[in-house]
Amino acid sequence: EVQLVESGGGLVQPGGSLRLSCAPSGFSFSNHWMGWVRQAPGKGLEWVANIKKDGNERNYVDSVKGRFTISRDNAKKSLFLQMNTLRAEDTAVYYCARASATYVSFYDYWGQGALVTVSS
Amino acid sequence: DIQMTQSPSSLSAAVGDRVTITCRASQGINNYLAWFQQKPGKAPKSLIYGASSLQSGVPSKFSGSGSGTDFTLTISSLQPEDFATYYCQQYKSYPITFGQGTRLEI
Repeated sequence: EVQLVESGGGLVQPGGSLRLSCAPSGFSFSNHWMGWVRQAPGKGLEWVANIKKDGNERNYVDSVKGRFTISRDNAKKSLFLQMNTLRAEDTAVYYCARASATYVSFYDYWGQGALVTVSS
Repeated sequence: DIQMTQSPSSLSAAVGDRVTITCRASQGINNYLAWFQQKPGKAPKSLIYGASSLQSGVPSKFSGSGSGTDFTLTISSLQPEDFATYYCQQYKSYPITFGQGTRLEI
C-alpha cells in the first residue's frame, strides 16, 4: 500500500524557517517524481514544487522561488521542503504527493498533510 | 501561467442524480488534465488523469472527457459519499495549476 507521511509542521514567526519531511512507503521511491502542494485555510489547492527522480531537476511556483528548496534522499527514502523567510501567506496545509509513473506532474497519491502556521 | 476555471463553484444535487462539472483552461493543454476529490479535513484523492482515464480503484460512476481547453467531470448515480469538493488540474506546463474547486452539496 502506498503511503506518504509528512512531518515537521508547526507554528513559526514571520521571517522564520521550517523543514518539512515526507516518508514514503509501499513503492519504489527513486522511480517517481515527487511534489509538494499546499492549501491555505478554506482555500483551494496550490502546487508548490516538484523534483525529478534523481533530484537533478526542480521546479517551483514563482511565489516561493528563492525561499523554498525541495530535495530528496533516495537512499534514506525521504522528501524534504526547506522553507525560509516564511510569510503569513505561506500558512497552509502542505501535502507531499507522488507523481504517477507515466506523468511527472499528475499526483496519484497524497499524504495526509502537515499544517504550517506563520504568525507572530 | 495557465488559468483553470471551474463551473459552477458550487452545486446542489440529490442522491441518485447525475451531475457534470466543467473545467476550462486559458490555453490548450491537450489532455494533460486531472480531476481530484477532496472531503473536509482530508487529502485530495485522484480520480481521473489524461482527461478521461480512470485512476485505479475509482468507480466507473466517475467519467471525464474533453481535450484542448474544455473538459468535464461527470458523476452518475450520486451517493452520500460523493458529496465533496472537486478540483481540476493541468499538468501541461509549469507552474502546475488547479481550478478553484466545485463544492458538491446535498
